[in-house]
Amino acid sequence: TAGITQAPTSQILAAGRSMTLRCTQDMRHNAMYWYRQDLGLGLRLIHYSNTAGTTGKGEVPDGYSVSRANTDDFPLTLASAVPSQTSVYFCASSDSSGTGQDEQFFGPGTRLTVL
Amino acid sequence: GQNIDQPTEMTATEGAIVQINCTYQTSGFNGLFWYQQHAGEAPTFLSYNVLDGLEEKGRFSSFLSRSKGYSYLLLKELQMKDSASYLCAVMDSNYQLIWGAGTKLIIKP
Repeated sequence: TAGITQAPTSQILAAGRSMTLRCTQDMRHNAMYWYRQDLGLGLRLIHYSNTAGTTGKGEVPDGYSVSRANTDDFPLTLASAVPSQTSVYFCASSDSSGTGQDEQFFGPGTRLTVL
Repeated sequence: GQNIDQPTEMTATEGAIVQINCTYQTSGFNGLFWYQQHAGEAPTFLSYNVLDGLEEKGRFSSFLSRSKGYSYLLLKELQMKDSASYLCAVMDSNYQLIWGAGTKLIIKP
């Protein structure tokens, strides 16, 4: 069972370049999320999608965009990378029923360094 | 603002018991989660509390007091593989998870 996959595993990117981080889940979960994790800080939500065709902004959306064309895929795009976007990026999904008791399942993460 | 506080680091001995505390102030409350994260890996779900009291799952237990904005994760019979970060997260009124910075637990033989 794959669960959630992310690609690439790691990447070094020159400032000003664009990049798309890929995320695919095979659990048919309706909700998907993108987080960044930085040392000393909690996971911070970048964007989310409650269902295919809809997206929403999280706590730190600036400089990032997402799309949700289908249930399985939720790519995250950095249009013009800056060094402050150096981080570990986690994609997650949940079978969101709106009751609150919906654990999120995480992908293995993408370690991005912007120079 | 919304805030989740937990200790940065704790040290415990193999075979012992350790309690990791979490206090929170959030806009609304729809449950509290604990996740485990080994270094270089993804977080994995440990427990969920929405009502006051203790939830027990094998060696791990989680407690919640909504009136005090307080939770703890209790780990018994510590094993070396329990060395990891433990993340506390609260689901707010918008059903978004607000995460603490995590507690790094170091287990010594």
